[in-house]
Amino acid sequence: AQSVSQHNHHVILSEAASLELGCNYSYGGTVNLFWYVQYPGQHLQLLLKYFSGDPLVKGIKGFEAEFIKSKFSFNLRKPSVQWSDTAEYFCAVNVNTGNQFYFGTGTSLTVIP
Amino acid sequence: SAVISQKPSRDICQRGTSLTIQCQVDSQVTMMFWYRQQPGQSLTLIATANQGSEATYESGFVIDKFPISRPNLTFSTLTVSNMSPEDSSIYLCSVRGLAGGRGETQYFGPGTRLLVL
Repeated sequence: AQSVSQHNHHVILSEAASLELGCNYSYGGTVNLFWYVQYPGQHLQLLLKYFSGDPLVKGIKGFEAEFIKSKFSFNLRKPSVQWSDTAEYFCAVNVNTGNQFYFGTGTSLTVIP
Repeated sequence: SAVISQKPSRDICQRGTSLTIQCQVDSQVTMMFWYRQQPGQSLTLIATANQGSEATYESGFVIDKFPISRPNLTFSTLTVSNMSPEDSSIYLCSVRGLAGGRGETQYFGPGTRLLVL
């Protein structure tokens, strides 16, 4: 079965620190990659997505992610986090041949003012 | 993007009872899905709601426990039947857009938070 791994379960950072959240997937074929964010008390929102083309994709709120095919990775980055970035972050993979989205277990980010 | 609403937003139920969750989308969508997000865990796909036919269930989920309806392209219901405390979870409706093609983004409803006593 396909799997998506998020190695960081809980991350605590101070404001202005840089962020990198890891995401690895197991499927070897063509994939579409997503990062979703869930702010406290809110529902899942799309942060950014990769379909094809430039492997470095930029999303909302200063987030970016880089697709490295050889490493089966799609890590999320932000150079300087803010308190408002406190949320749960989910990596998701959609296999090109199917409908299902496979989600990672999520990373809880807490940013300390 | 699609705007998705769910009813109820939360409920507390007694074991052995059933709860039907409604999902309404503001535009016609090709694909509708139901997910479960148990406490401290990631999202798990329960089933794909097919318009005009029986839902397609993922491994570990069965129609008797989670009957699903999808009478049209904008509405679906999920029933959690004969509930037990293990069914306490957030249930999420999700849709894929009109194109339905490769890489189409999925959008999520606000979720229904269910507690079974």
